[in-house]
Amino acid sequence: EAGVAQSPRYKIIEKRQSVAFWCNPISGHATLYWYQQILGQGPKLLIQFQNNGVVDDSQLPKDRFSAERLKGVDSTLKIQPAKLEDSAVYLCASSPNREGTEAFFGQGTRLTVV
Amino acid sequence: RKEVEQDPGPFNVPEGATVAFNCTYSNSASQSFFWYRQDCRKEPKLLMSVYSSGNEDGRFTAQLNRASQYISLLIRDSKLSDSATYLCVVNTLSQGNLIFGKGTKLSVKP
Repeated sequence: EAGVAQSPRYKIIEKRQSVAFWCNPISGHATLYWYQQILGQGPKLLIQFQNNGVVDDSQLPKDRFSAERLKGVDSTLKIQPAKLEDSAVYLCASSPNREGTEAFFGQGTRLTVV
Repeated sequence: RKEVEQDPGPFNVPEGATVAFNCTYSNSASQSFFWYRQDCRKEPKLLMSVYSSGNEDGRFTAQLNRASQYISLLIRDSKLSDSATYLCVVNTLSQGNLIFGKGTKLSVKP
């Protein structure tokens, strides 16, 4: 079974530039999460989708971050404009449902803002 | 108070040692509990779910105390390959999302 695919693996941008990350979850998984993991911290939830609807985006900095999952399958996360403190690993995860069964993570995108 | 709090660590132990990690959660409505393992520069992976009755998987034992809102993970006979960061994870059904603790780093030395 194919896992969660993310791209790119690494990205370096200057502050105030824009960047987009892509995620393709495991086939059939209705729930998709985007997490931000800063070095030395645990993953912090940014947004959760159930199919193509947003379940929770309370911790998404909406002035600069946006995410979509238009067809209920793959998803993109965008940052515009980026700040130095956005340097982190952005992890996408998927789960068959909302009930807290296992979440499967992609390898993440390591973003460095300089 | 943070939603999920863990021992600060790091834990440096010799091979063969027994080590215990603790975790507390703030939302009494939390329904599902997990321990994830994260190797350096890798993604988190599920280690084990935690059930009210306690559960064991080989050298790993997880316990849940709902009254105290406390979760634990015990690793017996530590191996070098157990070196990783252990993340306590809580799910609240009403929110349906997974909240991670900061993680506790374990280093097992020869």
